[in-house]
Amino acid sequence: DTGVSQDPRHKITKRGQNVTFRCDPISEHNRLYWYRQTLGQGPEFLTYFQNEAQLEKSRLLSDRFSAERPKGSFSTLEIQRTEQGDSAMYLCASSLASGTLNTGELFFGEGSRLTVL
Amino acid sequence: AQTVTQSQPEMSVQEAETVTLSCTYDTSESNYYLFWYKQPPSRQMILVIRQEAYKQQNATENRFSVNFQKAAKSFSLKISDSQLGDTAMYFCEIPKFPPQGGSEKLVFGKGTKLTVNP
Repeated sequence: DTGVSQDPRHKITKRGQNVTFRCDPISEHNRLYWYRQTLGQGPEFLTYFQNEAQLEKSRLLSDRFSAERPKGSFSTLEIQRTEQGDSAMYLCASSLASGTLNTGELFFGEGSRLTVL
Repeated sequence: AQTVTQSQPEMSVQEAETVTLSCTYDTSESNYYLFWYKQPPSRQMILVIRQEAYKQQNATENRFSVNFQKAAKSFSLKISDSQLGDTAMYFCEIPKFPPQGGSEKLVFGKGTKLTVNP
């Protein structure tokens, strides 16, 4: 297993366009997280899944954002009608969690950098 | 609300010296894990060290150790014998539990930018 992979690594788009990011977690990991990170800031939680169930979605996510994890494997994060404020690094991470207490470390992908012109 | 505070936006240290990065947090939970992550420039985030809140012994991983003060809700990271490769952003992370119960999400501080100078 090569770890968490994200695609594309970089995306430049014009305001108003839709973009989709994909994350492939470590195969045996049941939890998958999406974070957004702007320059010099810590990752901001967006949403996370346990298997295919989306357990929480941040209030940071407007209706233009949607995430899915069909079959509990890879996940996609779609941003519709992009705005310049959406420009950021979108990080995906996965972990193996048991019960309700997350005891494991997060394994991060290299991120997908979005630039909205 | 659960928060994570890293009060030092930037720090610098000379190679081979020791530096301590601070992190305070607020939680009403009694059993949880805390983490320090490192994000080198233009590279992905990796785990540095993990502390189990119910363990009194401070975690240690080679040159990295923590000073965990549960009552004070403080979780600082000490880096001994600093190396140039330690230059990175360091983030403290704790789980945030929803008030209605259930699984937690993981919340990061704003980070401390550490520069190790030769």
